[in-house]
Amino acid sequence: AQSVTQLDSQVPVFEEAPVELRCNYSSSVSVYLFWYVQYPNQGLQLLLKYLSGSTLVESINGFEAEFNKSQTSFHLRKPSVHISDTAEYFCAVSGIYNFNKFYFGSGTKLNVKP
Amino acid sequence: DAGITQSPRHKVTETGTPVTLRCHQTENHRYMYWYRQDPGHGLRLIHYSYGVKDTDKGEVSDGYSVSRSKTEDFLLTLESATSSQTSVYFCAISETPGEIEVYGYTFGSGTRLTVV
Repeated sequence: AQSVTQLDSQVPVFEEAPVELRCNYSSSVSVYLFWYVQYPNQGLQLLLKYLSGSTLVESINGFEAEFNKSQTSFHLRKPSVHISDTAEYFCAVSGIYNFNKFYFGSGTKLNVKP
Repeated sequence: DAGITQSPRHKVTETGTPVTLRCHQTENHRYMYWYRQDPGHGLRLIHYSYGVKDTDKGEVSDGYSVSRSKTEDFLLTLESATSSQTSVYFCAISETPGEIEVYGYTFGSGTRLTVV
């Protein structure tokens, strides 16, 4: 099985500052990795994913994440955040052989202040 | 979210009563899932289905049962609700990673269940 650790439960940051949300995973097999975002009172939306190929993946709204196999990490970054980025972010992992099960981290609440 | 609907959106029920939550999809996806979301725990898998009448347990399945008689519907039943089952319940759907570029979960908007 796989597991995910999100090291920060809350991250406060000022608008236009850079941010990094940390995610580490554990798995004995190769994995697929995901970041989901949840805005208040909504379901989760896929932000970006790593399946194979380039280890740096990007979303359409300026977030990026880098798969680091040696450090078993998939940290999410944005160089300049906006108020609208305030949300909870979840890292998730699935094994490439048991792809029908996702394991989620406990979430990181990003609070962007003006 | 388009293609996946959960009902009801909110429910308050009494301890000991049975409760059924419904998830309906129009995407014809093979896999369907029920998760619960609780503060500090993220999302935890309750049950999932990999086809009609094919279901399996997740990590927190005690006290829950599921049924899938049609591709589009996945029901979650709390046989006798307890206060510890107060939570937000999310349904999700996915397809196999054969279509690798679209692989991932699509979530419903959630059902907020309160057991009093």
